[in-house]
Parts: sequence; C-alpha cells; structure tokens
Amino acid sequence: DAGITQSPRHKVTETGTPVTLRCHQTENHRYMYWYRQDPGHGLRLIHYSYGVKDTDKGEVSDGYSVSRSKTEDFLLTLESATSSQTSVYFCAAGGQVVTEAFFGQGTRLTVV
Amino acid sequence: GENVEQHPSTLSVQEGDSAVIKCTYSDSASNYFPWYKQELGKRPQLIIDIRSNVGEKKDQRIAVTLNKTAKHFSLHITETQPEDSAVYFCAASGSGGGADGLTFGKGTHLIIQP
Repeated sequence: DAGITQSPRHKVTETGTPVTLRCHQTENHRYMYWYRQDPGHGLRLIHYSYGVKDTDKGEVSDGYSVSRSKTEDFLLTLESATSSQTSVYFCAAGGQVVTEAFFGQGTRLTVV
Repeated sequence: GENVEQHPSTLSVQEGDSAVIKCTYSDSASNYFPWYKQELGKRPQLIIDIRSNVGEKKDQRIAVTLNKTAKHFSLHITETQPEDSAVYFCAASGSGGGADGLTFGKGTHLIIQP
C-alpha cells in the first residue's frame, strides 16, 4: 500500500459544513495529490503539493483548499460542503523522479 | 492541459483470450504513461508504466505499447484470467512529467467471462 493512509474512510456531512480529509504517508514522498473519483469521469486532480507549504491547483479545485505543513501529511478541506462534492476522494503520493503515484484507500464522502 | 481519451468503456472477453485497451493523449510533451487497475471498492494500483523513450514494455501477461508520433498507447493482457476483471485506467503525465499530477482516462471495465 506504499504507506499511504487516509482518514476518515467514510463520512456523511451536511451541506454548508466544513470538512477536512487527511492523508498520511510514511515513505517520505515529495509529491502528494488529491483526486476525486466520480462515475463517468475517472479520476480528476483537485490539488497537489510539491513540497512542504508548496501547493498548487488541479483541474477541479473550486471549493477546495489544501495544506501541507509536514512532508508526511496533506490535508484537503471542503470549505462549505455542497452535494456536488459527494464523491470518493483519493490521496496519492509519488517520488523524486518521474512520479509514479501510489494511492491511499480512499474516503467516501456523502454531503446531504 | 493534457486530455486523455480511453476506449472502450466496457470490454467483455472469454477467459483465456486477449484484451486490448487503447488510449490517446493530446500533449506531445507527456513523457510518462502509467496504467492502473482498480477492483471494486479498492484503491487504484499501478500495474505497468512506460516512459516516452521506450516503445514497448512487458511484464508477464501484461504489455504496454507507445506510439509517440500518433500519441496513443495501449494495454495488452494475454491469457486473461477471472482475477483480471476490474476497471483499468490509463494516464499521462503532461509536460510536468507527472510532478503536477496525472491526467486519467475515464476507465475501461474489463469483464472476463468464464
């Protein structure tokens, strides 16, 4: 599993509430990513990080923010959850060279 | 940015036959092309990858081919087995080599018929 764990694994939240998902890795990977997976869309990049405190936006970043204060942790925050953010969220991490991305187990988020 | 198209969306083959999944990409600067397998309810797992300086790579029953001129790459699975049933995703690195994330195809649901 390349030492990548996500928490929580499942969450149900109400519209308008903030939500934070956590990704923790033990392999000292430099690069970390948050993707969302939806039927018919495959995996789409939300945000990524290329080092501590270095982050940038991906394809579907609206409504999401991230933080990386330590190499091993990458947090994804939904500032005010909406039903369109109901999805499965995957964290991934990759190494120093051309990045092979290894995925966490995923978090199933339901916004009601 | 990069755009990846994947076909077919569903592929059903008899056990023991071969399966081929095809992808095209748009960014000629892409230099890394991984394939992931995702079983139901599980995480995507890297099964094989190819870099742009190589035309073909094999790993037991799995092979990937890359045609840089035509900007397409394919996954070939021979002697398919029931455990090959899953959703397969291709991806391309874009000009960032993957450091700024991968662009994925929408997936192929491979069904192995007994």
